[in-house]
Amino acid sequence: AQSVTQPDIHITVSEGASLELRCNYSYGATPYLFWYVQSPGQGLQLLLKYFSGDTLVQGIKGFEAEFKRSQSSFNLRKPSVHWSDAAEYFCAASSGNTPLVFGKGTRLSVIA
Amino acid sequence: GAGVSQSPSNKVTEKGKDVELRCDPISGHTALYWYRQSLGQGLEFLIYFQGNSAPDKSGLPSDRFSAERTGGSVSTLTIQRTQQEDSAVYLCASSPATWGNTIYFGEGSWLTVV
Repeated sequence: AQSVTQPDIHITVSEGASLELRCNYSYGATPYLFWYVQSPGQGLQLLLKYFSGDTLVQGIKGFEAEFKRSQSSFNLRKPSVHWSDAAEYFCAASSGNTPLVFGKGTRLSVIA
Repeated sequence: GAGVSQSPSNKVTEKGKDVELRCDPISGHTALYWYRQSLGQGLEFLIYFQGNSAPDKSGLPSDRFSAERTGGSVSTLTIQRTQQEDSAVYLCASSPATWGNTIYFGEGSWLTVV
C-alpha cells in the first residue's frame, strides 16, 4: 500500500541550528512529493514540492528538500532555524491520480 | 475569496446530532477535497470531487458521512448521528485540477462532539 512515513514525532532544535526532518515514502513509482507546514490553529501551507527534474528543490521560508530515489526519501532541511519555524510539518505524496497521502507529522520545537 | 474558506471554524455538538461543515474553494479550482485530522494523527483522506465526475468517496469512514458539491463550487460535508470519535479538525482543500497539482487548504473546522 502507498504510504508516507515520518519517523520523528517531535524534534527540538536550538534557534540558529540546522534542521533536517525525515520523510520516507512507499510507492510503486516515484510519486509527487510535498512538504506542508501547519502552525498552531492554522491551515496547512505548502513549503515546497517535487514533481520531477532537479532533486534539490527550494521552497519558501528558506526551506529546501532533497529527493533521493535510492532511499525513497524526501527530507526537509533548513540551514538556520528561527523561533517562528516552530510548527507541525507534514510530508505528503501522490501518484498523480490517487489521494494525497500524508505522514503523521513531525512537531518542531525551537529553543533559545 | 483569495483562499479556501471553511465554516464554522469551531463547532461543538451533542452526540447523536447531525452537523454540516461548509467549504468554499478557491475560485476556478475544479478539484475539492475533504480531509480529517485527529489528535496525534496525520491527515486522513475522506472524499474528492473533480468537476462533474462522480466523487471519490473511498475515504469516508462510515455511511454516517456524506458530502455534496453544488454547482461545482461550494461543498458541504455532513456527519449524521455524530459520535465522540468524530471529534477532529475537518480540512477542505482545492486545486486547479487533479491530484498532481498543488492543493491548497483552508484553516479547517474544529468539531467537538460531547
